[in-house]
Amino acid sequence: KQEVTQIPAALSVPEGENLVLNCSFTDSAIYNLQWFRQDPGKGLTSLLLIQSSQREQTSGRLNASLDKSSGRSTLYIAASQPGDSATYLCAVPGGTSYGKLTFGQGTILTVHP
Amino acid sequence: KAGVTQTPRYLIKTRGQQVTLSCSPISGHRSVSWYQQTPGQGLQFLFEYFSETQRNKGNFPGRFSGRQFSNSRSEMNVSTLELGDSALYLCASSPGLAGVGTRRETQYFGPGTRLLVL
Repeated sequence: KQEVTQIPAALSVPEGENLVLNCSFTDSAIYNLQWFRQDPGKGLTSLLLIQSSQREQTSGRLNASLDKSSGRSTLYIAASQPGDSATYLCAVPGGTSYGKLTFGQGTILTVHP
Repeated sequence: KAGVTQTPRYLIKTRGQQVTLSCSPISGHRSVSWYQQTPGQGLQFLFEYFSETQRNKGNFPGRFSGRQFSNSRSEMNVSTLELGDSALYLCASSPGLAGVGTRRETQYFGPGTRLLVL
């Protein structure tokens, strides 16, 4: 059974700081890994999807890496801004399970001015 | 392209009632998945539909059911509501392209329906 863990559970940083969010998964036989952002009371916004054949994926100030063999992914946010404050979730699809994503519990990020 | 839409956005029900939630996927998407999000359990998978067929189901009681229509719109129903069913219900869609497989595709989420059971 796939389990996804995110560390830290919460993070508070001053504006402008670079930061790293961590995600680990127990079953390395994944097709891809997806990072999402969730604002309070809202739905999920897809940030990045890394296919299993990729090592990195970048979008603006965001960079996600994937190391399947060690069961880890990191989301790097450069030059953080108060607008980045949200919960960040990572998720992996089930091996043979259509449509099912297994999520971590998320990292609550607060960027203060 | 319009995103995933869910209706209603908010619902208040009492124990024992039933509720139906609706999800319209992104145009052209054929796969729709449903999730329940609670503070204690996080995001949990309910079920997935593709071409009007349920292909996968999570560990939820039979009170939770769903269906998908020929236009890919999906509904989920919860009967005999319990206090513990209070949650944010999210649906997600993906293209379901032949030869790719939904497991390799990005899932796009709607804004959710907030259900409160009193």
